[in-house]
Amino acid sequence: EAEVAQSPRYKITEKSQAVAFWCDPISGHATLYWYRQILGQGPELLVQFQDESVVDDSQLPKDRFSAERLKGVDSTLKIQPAELGDSAMYLCASSLARETDTQYFGPGTRLTVL
Amino acid sequence: GNSVTQMEGPVTLSEEAFLTINCTYTATGYPSLFWYVQYPGEGLQLLLKATKADDKGSNKGFEATYRKETTSFHLEKGSVQVSDSAVYFCALSDQGGGNKLTFGTGTQLKVEL
Repeated sequence: EAEVAQSPRYKITEKSQAVAFWCDPISGHATLYWYRQILGQGPELLVQFQDESVVDDSQLPKDRFSAERLKGVDSTLKIQPAELGDSAMYLCASSLARETDTQYFGPGTRLTVL
Repeated sequence: GNSVTQMEGPVTLSEEAFLTINCTYTATGYPSLFWYVQYPGEGLQLLLKATKADDKGSNKGFEATYRKETTSFHLEKGSVQVSDSAVYFCALSDQGGGNKLTFGTGTQLKVEL
């Protein structure tokens, strides 16, 4: 069964450093989502792509976060500089199309900022 | 805006007990409703979904019915197992907003022998 791949699984960094996370969605899925899940809470959407275009980044802290999906396939989420409050699980999900309601999640990247 | 409210956990049950996890929602329009499960250290797995009123989603012995009149989507299982121990998230999909998922805060389930 096809899965969403993410790397790294775990990342420890010091505040003010730059970090990057990678996601490879299920083949053929046009829509890609990045969520942030703070410990003890539900995931919250950071950014949504349709192919290579951003369709929703209203909750993305744009002063320090950036996301790209250059060829409309895999995606990178970057934080620069990292802050203590960025410690969380970063989840990537994909769906066949924007109108398709079922999203499939990857295993996530656990970020710890010291 | 959209929101999902779940019962707080942890919920601790003995094996073979009956499970109910309550979920209510607030949304404009006609959202799809989901239950996702998260095992320790892992991402979210879709457990079941329902796309319209009175639909029942079911999977692995879990069931939930989309109740528009009470804006609820309670998760039930007749006999839980230790392997069901996980965090369960109720979510809705805003079909008018690109299918963005709005999640509840999650309910931790612990099943003991």
